[in-house]
Amino acid sequence: RKEVEQDPGPFNVPEGATVAFNCTYSNSASQSFFWYRQDCRKEPKLLMSVYSSGNEDGRFTAQLNRASQYISLLIRDSKLSDSATYLCVVTSNTGKLIFGQGTTLQVKP
Amino acid sequence: GAVVSQHPSRVICKSGTSVKIECRSLDFQATTMFWYRQFPKQSLMLMATSNEGSKATYEQGVEKDKFLINHASLTLSTLTVTSAHPEDSSFYICSAPKTGAGYGYTFGSGTRLTVV
Repeated sequence: RKEVEQDPGPFNVPEGATVAFNCTYSNSASQSFFWYRQDCRKEPKLLMSVYSSGNEDGRFTAQLNRASQYISLLIRDSKLSDSATYLCVVTSNTGKLIFGQGTTLQVKP
Repeated sequence: GAVVSQHPSRVICKSGTSVKIECRSLDFQATTMFWYRQFPKQSLMLMATSNEGSKATYEQGVEKDKFLINHASLTLSTLTVTSAHPEDSSFYICSAPKTGAGYGYTFGSGTRLTVV
């Protein structure tokens, strides 16, 4: 079983749609959780950290459920510029970043 | 702040040659550097962790004699792919934990290696 699992997609949605991505992780000792965005052939860029209390940044909402070892990302009012691969990332207790495969989002006009 | 500069961004080399990839922390001291590899449509996979002044720690299945890592100073970590083969063609990227104010990790811009 992969340490971090995501549905690779692709998710094809129209502009303005709301889309949700899910991620599960296997190591209950995982310390920190993030969503990164990766554009084609570029380095990943931090989108947001994920907390148990949930956090929101504009159109983006992230949620962590430690009991279920589950992380989510909700994007509201999708823009064309949101098209990218979204990586679920978990840190181990040694500080290593463990990446999910990524979920590809294509927002269509 | 917390910028990592990675070079080269793209390299094409012949089979059997060696390629060195450099990651420099420009405005902070990177005592630790993580090296990842990403094949097309796959996740970033951690190859090794380098620590300044000590031997790198390699992940299971990564050949330490093939992927030489050096972290001789607090601002420079290098990855050398020795005797490269076409199957080593991949996107290599480094990452360092941010220090001081702030939180998280900063990434180099990546190196796309093509071995022909």
